[in-house]
Amino acid sequence: NAGVTQTPKFQVLKTGQSMTLQCAQDMNHEYMSWYRQDPGMGLRLIHYSVGAGITDQGEVPNGYNVSRSTTEDFPLRLLSAAPSQTSVYFCASSLQGGAVGNTIYFGEGSWLTVV
Amino acid sequence: AQKITQTQPGMFVQEKEAVTLDCTYDTSDPSYGLFWYKQPSSGEMIFLIYQGSYDQQNATEGRYSLNFQKARKSANLVISASQLGDSAMYFCAMREGFRNQFYFGTGTSLTVIP
Repeated sequence: NAGVTQTPKFQVLKTGQSMTLQCAQDMNHEYMSWYRQDPGMGLRLIHYSVGAGITDQGEVPNGYNVSRSTTEDFPLRLLSAAPSQTSVYFCASSLQGGAVGNTIYFGEGSWLTVV
Repeated sequence: AQKITQTQPGMFVQEKEAVTLDCTYDTSDPSYGLFWYKQPSSGEMIFLIYQGSYDQQNATEGRYSLNFQKARKSANLVISASQLGDSAMYFCAMREGFRNQFYFGTGTSLTVIP
């Protein structure tokens, strides 16, 4: 029962380094997304995708890049890490479409610290 | 404008008592869904309850119920008979009919006191 799997769980980066957070889901969900969670700010949408080959920006996309080559995978790339990107990152997926009752399923989170 | 507003950063409740966590939302879409999630200290996000905009009755799931007041655009979570394990962060979220994004509030931290 894998659901949404994201790696790594913890990462420390130096300013200016790049890295990729991996996300995979095995539920055949069309919709996948990345959020960041910061104290007092809730979850903010970084990027999302409604299917393979289709991505779009969310609320806070700057400094991040995504691609969706398969239905299952949705990696998040930090191009040049900055201390402001220290956060907890969640990958999430859902069935899409007009059925508003489709809930969103989350990965376990990735704790990223940029020093 | 914020899509989801949670005005209570922190709440305390005595064990075995009921507590209400507030959530208001903003949308012009007639079709939408409202969700509550629990995030314990371990960090995972756990789905609790769902209410559709066309649902006539308030949703209930065990000790959780959603007090849905459509005209006021509020979707408050009621936890009855609080338990120590209910101590966590709680997030309200909304999904609109023609969009795929989920909008989340800033969360309410609930502490259950023995």
